[in-house]
Amino acid sequence: NAGVTQTPKFRVLKTGQSMTLLCAQDMNHEYMYWYRQDPGMGLRLIHYSVGEGTTAKGEVPDGYNVSRLKKQNFLLGLESAAPSQTSVYFCASSLGGGPVYEQFFGPGTRLTVL
Amino acid sequence: AQRVTQPEKLLSVFKGAPVELKCNYSYSGSPELFWYVQYSRQRLQLLLRHISRESIKGFTADLNKGETSFHLKKPFAQEEDSAMYYCALSSYSGAGSYQLTFGKGTKLSVIP
Repeated sequence: NAGVTQTPKFRVLKTGQSMTLLCAQDMNHEYMYWYRQDPGMGLRLIHYSVGEGTTAKGEVPDGYNVSRLKKQNFLLGLESAAPSQTSVYFCASSLGGGPVYEQFFGPGTRLTVL
Repeated sequence: AQRVTQPEKLLSVFKGAPVELKCNYSYSGSPELFWYVQYSRQRLQLLLRHISRESIKGFTADLNKGETSFHLKKPFAQEEDSAMYYCALSSYSGAGSYQLTFGKGTKLSVIP
């Protein structure tokens, strides 16, 4: 099992460009999450999904959109990238949503917006 | 709103010395707390969770509701313990879903 994978690993964008980050998991998990991590900060939840076809806002959702068309994939979109979105993005998944369920993390995507 | 505070950005200890990584939380509900670890060039992974009352790699953490703390401890540090450690709090966000709130992390450096 590959676990949680993220594509791409690195990306450089210019201000105003758009892009989509792909997260895939092969563990048949219901819940998926997108976090961002900035220097000196902990991970902050952007959006999450409790199942195929569902999405919900996290702590810092502005400027991002997400989609969960297939259970195994969770896409994070930036419609018009801004330098403030320079960050490392982590995807995670879990079997369920309660505290008994471990979140499994991907390796991260390092995004730089110029 | 929930909050997790890790007061130390960096903690350096000598090999064999005891380790204590501090974590304090603020949450109005019943807290469920976790420690995650990220070793160099590896992905973030769960180290231990309060709900399981387990000891992993010699680390333990006790929830102290009076002091709102969940400090991570190990009696004898090893070089392989050098990593970034994050404390996290699970909170209910409605409709059957929960969110993890992370602290800013503490970098543990074990000096040989």
